[in-house]
Amino acid sequence: DAKTTQPPSMDCAEGRAANLPCNHSTISGNEYVYWYRQIHSQGPQYIIHGLKNNETNEMASLIITEDRKSSTLILPHATLRDTAVYYCIVLQSRSGGSNYKLTFGKGTLLTVNP
Amino acid sequence: NAGVTQTPKFRVLKTGQSMTLLCAQDMNHEYMYWYRQDPGMGLRLIHYSVGEGTTAKGEVPDGYNVSRLKKQNFLLGLESAAPSQTSVYFCASTPVGWNTEAFFGQGTRLTVV
Repeated sequence: DAKTTQPPSMDCAEGRAANLPCNHSTISGNEYVYWYRQIHSQGPQYIIHGLKNNETNEMASLIITEDRKSSTLILPHATLRDTAVYYCIVLQSRSGGSNYKLTFGKGTLLTVNP
Repeated sequence: NAGVTQTPKFRVLKTGQSMTLLCAQDMNHEYMYWYRQDPGMGLRLIHYSVGEGTTAKGEVPDGYNVSRLKKQNFLLGLESAAPSQTSVYFCASTPVGWNTEAFFGQGTRLTVV
């Protein structure tokens, strides 16, 4: 699976949009981009994933560049409860098989300030 | 639904003691995973299972054993605990592989003294 690069930390003002970048320049055609977050001491929580089209759900939006070498997770109106470590993960999407090795890396610590 | 439940939530062991961590999921998921997370680090895969009766090694399997006798339960055992195994342990499950949303437990904080 492709390696990802994220900034170690970011700050955002409460109520503003938080834009978290991720570089995945070695991504291959059948690899998806996943985002998870981990609020202090809790288990990671799934946010969103996508292949090449932009995706949106009730939590966030995912913007993937046309060449798929980078992506941005957008939290449209960040709240204090969004303070967490955000992990960008690239993973092949195959049913069954050996796509077991989910590697989280160190992620980006997003701090939402009042 | 409870989702993924880990027991215990906290435990202190003496070096050389043994213990078993239990992970239970009520979503009929096929795949289950055990991770450990050390301060300032990401999650590292210890062992995983792709179905009842199956187990396999992840990135850091040494010092741990696992069993998946029932589909809903995935047990992580420490036969002889060492201080290096002090960590927070997370269990996760997915329907089939990581190409779907993964559900995580709330973690077990283990200290080995």
